[in-house]
Amino acid sequence: AQSVTQPDIHITVSEGASLELRCNYSYGATPYLFWYVQSPGQGLQLLLKYFSGDTLVQGIKGFEAEFKRSQSSFNLRKPSVHWSDAAEYFCAVAPMEYGNKLVFGAGTILRVKS
Amino acid sequence: DAGVTQSPTHLIKTRGQQVTLRCSPKSGHDTVSWYQQALGQGPQFIFQYYEEEERQRGNFPDRFSGHQFPNYSSELNVNALLLGDSALYLCASSSDPTGFEQYFGPGTRLTVT
Repeated sequence: AQSVTQPDIHITVSEGASLELRCNYSYGATPYLFWYVQSPGQGLQLLLKYFSGDTLVQGIKGFEAEFKRSQSSFNLRKPSVHWSDAAEYFCAVAPMEYGNKLVFGAGTILRVKS
Repeated sequence: DAGVTQSPTHLIKTRGQQVTLRCSPKSGHDTVSWYQQALGQGPQFIFQYYEEEERQRGNFPDRFSGHQFPNYSSELNVNALLLGDSALYLCASSSDPTGFEQYFGPGTRLTVT
């Protein structure tokens, strides 16, 4: 079935530690790929996007993501997490065959411990 | 530059009632999409409006309808509310139907009792 999977519901990391959030998708053609962040009670903020080209993309707030076609993955990374990064992170795809609607994963809640 | 705005922030309705949510897109954007985010889940696409017409629709019943005005603002209407309609409703805008980069508003929290 066509879907977006974020296998980790919760992740806890220590402040200053590195972070990787996983995202896999299953669509025939490579979709456009996005990561959004949502703080409690807030809307979604776009962190970064991949349309084509360089498979390592840089985003805001020091985040980056790497697209791996062979693994149908688009994992989000940050070298050093800050307490303010605690939030919920959503991977989203825009499947080419479905216009430009976004299909979201279930989200990963990031907790940062000091 | 004003981003996407939504009103109201919170809303409490009773089963069977009707509700209207409003969205103003980011300046320069002419396409509005609506998403429903149930508690603990990712947003789900409801529909998209461009040039005052519904261009795409997700897997939602006809109780969910919308409208786009000439100034690109949009409304989401839900009739015959069910308890399961309780959710955060998010509006997103983009610069045209092929604009894959969508900017989201803060959402309207709808509670159906």
